[in-house]
Amino acid sequence: DTGVSQDPRHKITKRGQNVTFRCDPISEHNRLYWYRQTLGQGPEFLTYFQNEAQLEKSRLLSDRFSAERPKGSFSTLEIQRTEQGDSAMYLCASSATGRTSGRNTGELFFGEGSRLTVL
Amino acid sequence: KQEVTQIPAALSVPEGENLVLNCSFTDSAIYNLQWFRQDPGKGLTSLLLIQSSQREQTSGRLNASLDKSSGRSTLYIAASQPGDSATYLCAPEQWGGNKLTFGTGTQLKVEL
Repeated sequence: DTGVSQDPRHKITKRGQNVTFRCDPISEHNRLYWYRQTLGQGPEFLTYFQNEAQLEKSRLLSDRFSAERPKGSFSTLEIQRTEQGDSAMYLCASSATGRTSGRNTGELFFGEGSRLTVL
Repeated sequence: KQEVTQIPAALSVPEGENLVLNCSFTDSAIYNLQWFRQDPGKGLTSLLLIQSSQREQTSGRLNASLDKSSGRSTLYIAASQPGDSATYLCAPEQWGGNKLTFGTGTQLKVEL
């Protein structure tokens, strides 16, 4: 399977615990995105990386959230001291950009998501 | 800030009908617009990508049009099938943004 993969698919945790999600993008894609989706809503942008550089973070990404992409390949999203309001589906997507334009050359491809439930 | 609205929010039709799903966005300075499908509890599957310079794109029974100046896109599904049942999301990408902004989607049910 050469698509975007996310792990774990489901995570149940108690309030106050830390959780970490991993995303492996499509191998030739240099751009990686994290989105969050709650029930009945569309995905909301959290952050994105171009190679290993984190270029933008949403105001939704509080101090308890941190994302990394250390070698420009896989990425992790960590949530510290989880709260019940963090319960959501966390989606990862990847895309390729043009060498000169820096813009996405095609579609964003999403993974199956990591569903977080905070009790 | 870009805002995306999708109408209708939900739709239930008998098999075989031709459907039109509407998407409107407030900021017309978009680079492209993408349509996705999402099955319950699953990730998003890309259906069509329309560049800002294009008026429409077709893939099988799907046709998406874009009227950038009026801030509208339409997804047309021909001869609907029960397997088309899912939530359909549109998402424009801003020129200055490098990210997609999503609507809340249209939940489609196609019945036998």
